[in-house]
Amino acid sequence: SYELTQPLSVSVALGQTARITCGGNNIGSKNVHWYQQKPGQAPVLVIYRDSNRPSGIPERFSGSNSGNTATLTISRAQAGDEADYYCQVWDGSTPYVFGTGTKVTVL
Amino acid sequence: EVQLVESGGGLVQPGGSLRLSCAASGFTFSDHYMDWVRQAPGKGLEWVGRTRNKANSYTTEYAASVKGRFTISRDDSENSLYLQMNSLKTEDTAVYYCARSPGSGWFDYWGQGTLVTVSS
Repeated sequence: SYELTQPLSVSVALGQTARITCGGNNIGSKNVHWYQQKPGQAPVLVIYRDSNRPSGIPERFSGSNSGNTATLTISRAQAGDEADYYCQVWDGSTPYVFGTGTKVTVL
Repeated sequence: EVQLVESGGGLVQPGGSLRLSCAASGFTFSDHYMDWVRQAPGKGLEWVGRTRNKANSYTTEYAASVKGRFTISRDDSENSLYLQMNSLKTEDTAVYYCARSPGSGWFDYWGQGTLVTVSS
């Protein structure tokens, strides 16, 4: 089965840029989606199809995908961005696969 | 406004059964694929299964971990999604979310979740 690997945690200074990676075999050939989950809340879609933002998601959130790594970038990080972030792909054999999740801390 | 509201969670003994419901509003429910995703306490997200829409014959798919024990159904006339869980195991303990899928591989709206605890 297909696996997605994320760093356990990422720390970022207030106002700086956080990059969260999602590793998978030839992930660049798949569409990657990203979710933000704050404590006690349901996940929220923040990026779909590698780099598209749903309405209501700030432009500070962006995504890219190439080779074996997809990346979610949070620019000008705010305290409200503290959350767990999950990547996700569609894989025919599973079919939905989620990454292991990354806890983002804003210092 | 799209809303998904789960209900039916609770405490159940191993080997028991439980039926979860998800009430949808704010969109044309019958047009959409609908999924269940769960999250064990302190753990990550795990896809449980999906039901396609009428145009795709309401076909269902399940994760290997629940196949043969869980059944997803829907009632488009009631804008409702269901998850029948049988032969429950302690490892099924989780918050269960219903989620809407545009059918293109991601989930654009999620409910608030309902907690299922399987314990003796």
